[in-house]
Amino acid sequence: EVQLVESGGGLVRPGGSLRLSCAASGFTFSSYAMSWVRQAPGKGLEWVSGINDSGDSAYYADSVKGRFTISRDNSKNTLYVQLNSLRAEDTAVYFCAKSDVFAVVATPFDHWGQGTLVTVSS
Amino acid sequence: VLTQSPGTLSLSPGERATLSCRASQPITIGYLAWYQQKSGQAPRFLIHGASSRATGIPDRFTGSGSGTDFSLIISRLEPEDSAVYYCQQYGRSPITFGGGTKVEIK
Repeated sequence: EVQLVESGGGLVRPGGSLRLSCAASGFTFSSYAMSWVRQAPGKGLEWVSGINDSGDSAYYADSVKGRFTISRDNSKNTLYVQLNSLRAEDTAVYFCAKSDVFAVVATPFDHWGQGTLVTVSS
Repeated sequence: VLTQSPGTLSLSPGERATLSCRASQPITIGYLAWYQQKSGQAPRFLIHGASSRATGIPDRFTGSGSGTDFSLIISRLEPEDSAVYYCQQYGRSPITFGGGTKVEIK
């Protein structure tokens, strides 16, 4: 059974940093692209970033480009996203999502984690 | 940009729900997916390639469309179908989602 478990969320001040993790199990992690998707309170889904299976290609939404960095450690079956220069509008539940092939685009998200809440507030 | 309509649908059990997703430009090779999100839960994968059901999704859920106009039809609504439904294009970066349609069961 595919399992994705996010961690690392919490309360952080504007301008601060946080690193989120997503521990994966139940599938061959190194064979699939992964993404982060966020959802602000009471709002819809927003794709944040994606990374291919090997970790050498990363994509970002314009809203986070230059501030967030996605990475993965295939030896630890773990996906990460480093959140820097955080703003109030980054407050959201952050979900990790698995693609159904090795590439970030041209593939839907077939499994999702339960999410971790990031709150940016002074 | 993906525009979903209506914003909210309120229907009775057994009725049919028709959800619309319109893209501002044609979606590459039908790379359009639908997800269901119940309150407090993660999204659940329903449809890919505009019309192919994901594993385990009942045949009450039917996706259709091409180009810029797509639909999700839920026939014979059940109480458990109460949720927000999102369309997503995954043919190019940035991947984008529609704003969602809330389906309420009376």
